[in-house]
Amino acid sequence: GENVEQHPSTLSVQEGDSAVIKCTYSDSASNYFPWYKQELGKGPQLIIDIRSNVGEKKDQRIAVTLNKTAKHFSLHITETQPEDSAVYFCAARKDGNSGYSTLTFGKGTMLLVSP
Amino acid sequence: DTAVSQTPKYLVTQMGNDKSIKCEQNLGHDTMYWYKQDSKKFLKIMFSYNNKELIINETVPNRFSPKSPDKAHLNLHINSLELGDSAVYFCASSRKWTSGRETQYFGPGTRLLVL
Repeated sequence: GENVEQHPSTLSVQEGDSAVIKCTYSDSASNYFPWYKQELGKGPQLIIDIRSNVGEKKDQRIAVTLNKTAKHFSLHITETQPEDSAVYFCAARKDGNSGYSTLTFGKGTMLLVSP
Repeated sequence: DTAVSQTPKYLVTQMGNDKSIKCEQNLGHDTMYWYKQDSKKFLKIMFSYNNKELIINETVPNRFSPKSPDKAHLNLHINSLELGDSAVYFCASSRKWTSGRETQYFGPGTRLLVL
């Protein structure tokens, strides 16, 4: 099955700095890569996603890049703010039979943005 | 207004007891999921249902029995609770991936503590 590795497990930055979280996946058939943000005491929320036919996607201060050859994808957050502090999860999915498939999640990165 | 809701939010119980967690989504999605998040924040899929039908069962002990009375509800019943069942359980829902809008929306979680 799919295996997703995520690094680093914790990341501390100063407000205004950039943060980068990296993930690798094992199954070359995976074609959908979402990123989720989980704030303390809440469920994960999608912040950005990318499909395998795209190399980069940007949404304001966050961007995701995908390298299919190397089987890795990264989340970039620019101009970090204290409210960006949370646990971030990457995930990978490949199309299953009959339209059903599951997400395999990385182990999460705890991002702490200090004022 | 809550898209995916779960009850209860907290559940403290003794080993050996039987308990249920309820989940409801008002997004009109056909597919619902149960995830387990352990103390290290690792998110792992347990079950997936589509239109009341079980489609994914990820090697979960048969003490866990999901039930879907209709496509808006997916409940999780756990028999003979064990210490290792202590975790946060998240319900999620989505459209089929073939819709091109397969974002999974998570509930707020149920924090289960088995004593």
